[in-house]
Amino acid sequence: DAGVIQSPRHEVTEMGQEVTLRCKPISGHNSLFWYRQTMMRGLELLIYFNNNVPIDDSGMPEDRFSAKMPNASFSTLKIQPSEPRDSAVYFCASSFTSGGFGQYFGPGTRLTVT
Amino acid sequence: GQQVMQIPQYQHVQEGEDFTTYCNSSTTLSNIQWYKQRPGGHPVFLIQLVKSGEVKKQKRLTFQFGEAKKNSPLHITATQTTDVGTYFCAGRVYGNKLVFGAGTILRVKS
Repeated sequence: DAGVIQSPRHEVTEMGQEVTLRCKPISGHNSLFWYRQTMMRGLELLIYFNNNVPIDDSGMPEDRFSAKMPNASFSTLKIQPSEPRDSAVYFCASSFTSGGFGQYFGPGTRLTVT
Repeated sequence: GQQVMQIPQYQHVQEGEDFTTYCNSSTTLSNIQWYKQRPGGHPVFLIQLVKSGEVKKQKRLTFQFGEAKKNSPLHITATQTTDVGTYFCAGRVYGNKLVFGAGTILRVKS
């Protein structure tokens, strides 16, 4: 059984460049979450989707961040332009929409912006 | 806003000793989940508690949900080196949105 798939696993980019992170949720899950993890701020929810529709994007830091979910099996998180303070591990997670289930996290993308 | 706090931030125990981490919420939670993240890994779902006063066990791990549904201790009996990692609690705010605590880092000396 494939879990949540994220790509790339590591990304190093220069300040000002566009970064796109990709996620494939577990088949059958209809909720998808994007998190950011840093030592200083811990695990923060950026945005989540139910049935491909964004439900809560209050955690998205600023307009430089955008997320899309064009279909049930794919989502992207884009940062444009990137800044050094965006350096973090970005996790995608998926779950069933009804509240009785846990979230299943992907392996994460470690982003470094120089 | 909703806050979930965990104590301690860090604990270093001798293998075989017991360990407890505490999760406390500023408001009543509909349910609480626990996750474990190994060093360099990703959070892995352990369990969900829903009912007031609920107690669940997974081998040496005991999870509780307080009567007021505002706190949840996790107790590990006779720690092993495989227990090393960060333990996060997460409270459900509404819908599917979880608020994660800062986590408790557990290190085990063998």
